[in-house]
Amino acid sequence: GESVGLHLPTLSVQEGDNSIINCAYSNSASDYFIWYKQESGKGPQFIIDIRSNMDKRQGQRVTVLLNKTVKHLSLQIAATQPGDSAVYFCAENTNAGKSTFGDGTTLTVKP
Amino acid sequence: DAGVTQSPTHLIKTRGQHVTLRCSPISGHKSVSWYQQVLGQGPQFIFQYYEKEERGRGNFPDRFSARQFPNYSSELNVNALLLGDSALYLCASSWRTGGGFVWYFGPGTRLTVL
Repeated sequence: GESVGLHLPTLSVQEGDNSIINCAYSNSASDYFIWYKQESGKGPQFIIDIRSNMDKRQGQRVTVLLNKTVKHLSLQIAATQPGDSAVYFCAENTNAGKSTFGDGTTLTVKP
Repeated sequence: DAGVTQSPTHLIKTRGQHVTLRCSPISGHKSVSWYQQVLGQGPQFIFQYYEKEERGRGNFPDRFSARQFPNYSSELNVNALLLGDSALYLCASSWRTGGGFVWYFGPGTRLTVL
């Protein structure tokens, strides 16, 4: 079956450093991916998305890279701030609109 | 603009009881999905509704049911509660069904089953 997984459950970085969060997916037919941020006690919050016809997409301080050859995507956060501390999920959207989530990476930003 | 709203925020039930969770989508959104998030895991898909019709169902028992109303709000019902049903229940809305659309999540309802 399809699954979306993250490489590391936790990541700790210094404030001001760049963060890279990785995600592997198994469904080669997947054509749309989303990164979500979930803070404690809140629902997932949309960060950035990317379609399979793209390799890279940039937002404000965030960049998503997609490598379809190895079925891998990553989220890069520039100049990480304490407010970036949260759990990050990658999700794959199927044609039916169902989002399949991995188990998340907990990002901790040290001051 | 208001985001997705859910009620109640927290709920405590005992085994065997039933529960109804409510969700109001973002204005203009016609599709609603429900997810269950167990502590330490990612959300798991339960249901999707679009224009009051069920468009998808995850691997959950028949104790779980849902419906969508003409105003696009939705209810999730769980019967014969088990301890394992304790989780954060998330509602998400989008403009329409199908792939390629961002789903916006509400804050969730924290259900505790004792």
